[in-house]
Amino acid sequence: DGGITQSPKYLFRKEGQNVTLSCEQNLNHDAMYWYRQDPGQGLRLIYYSQIVNDFQKGDIAEGYSVSREKKESFPLTVTSAQKNPTAFYLCASRTAGLAGAEQFFGPGTRLTVL
Amino acid sequence: GENVEQHPSTLSVQEGDSAVIKCTYSDSASNYFPWYKQELGKRPQLIIDIRSNVGEKKDQRIAVTLNKTAKHFSLHITETQPEDSAVYFCAASILRTGANNLFFGTGTRLTVIP
Repeated sequence: DGGITQSPKYLFRKEGQNVTLSCEQNLNHDAMYWYRQDPGQGLRLIYYSQIVNDFQKGDIAEGYSVSREKKESFPLTVTSAQKNPTAFYLCASRTAGLAGAEQFFGPGTRLTVL
Repeated sequence: GENVEQHPSTLSVQEGDSAVIKCTYSDSASNYFPWYKQELGKRPQLIIDIRSNVGEKKDQRIAVTLNKTAKHFSLHITETQPEDSAVYFCAASILRTGANNLFFGTGTRLTVIP
């Protein structure tokens, strides 16, 4: 463990509120990812970033936004436009290039909409 | 895009027996196939991976086989132990200079009965 941290571990949100999930890594990894995990659906990619100041939409980007102002940080904002945000959110990172196959995951944030 | 299917969704075995989980993929360009283990409430962790230039890889009680022609790969766990109980995810990716996004299966919940 260690290397990638996510906060908070648990997050409760009222409908209509935006919330931001933190992801920080000290592994000097270039690429970072956000996944959403729902029961029985595996991990689905929300956004990813290969370098600072650049990011791309994944399969389920609607209702989410990200930024990548620093190499170590890749925060995810869940906006009020996300209709069903209750889920377990995982951040991951990996090094660049062909040698950087393995993605390392953070401990996750469980978001619940009240 | 890539589509990864995983079976079975649940699997129960007696301690000491073997467990096999199977995945298929759709994109013949995929060349990297990792397996992740996720214990309840924890982050996914890589347990074994295989690249398309080999057909089988072993690590103690765990092995992965790959059939590129049929586009399927399998995880084999021998002499199962209660601590093997977890959700297992397969994934596929095209390793290259770039995003190397992982496409995940929907997971298999393995229960090892003591």
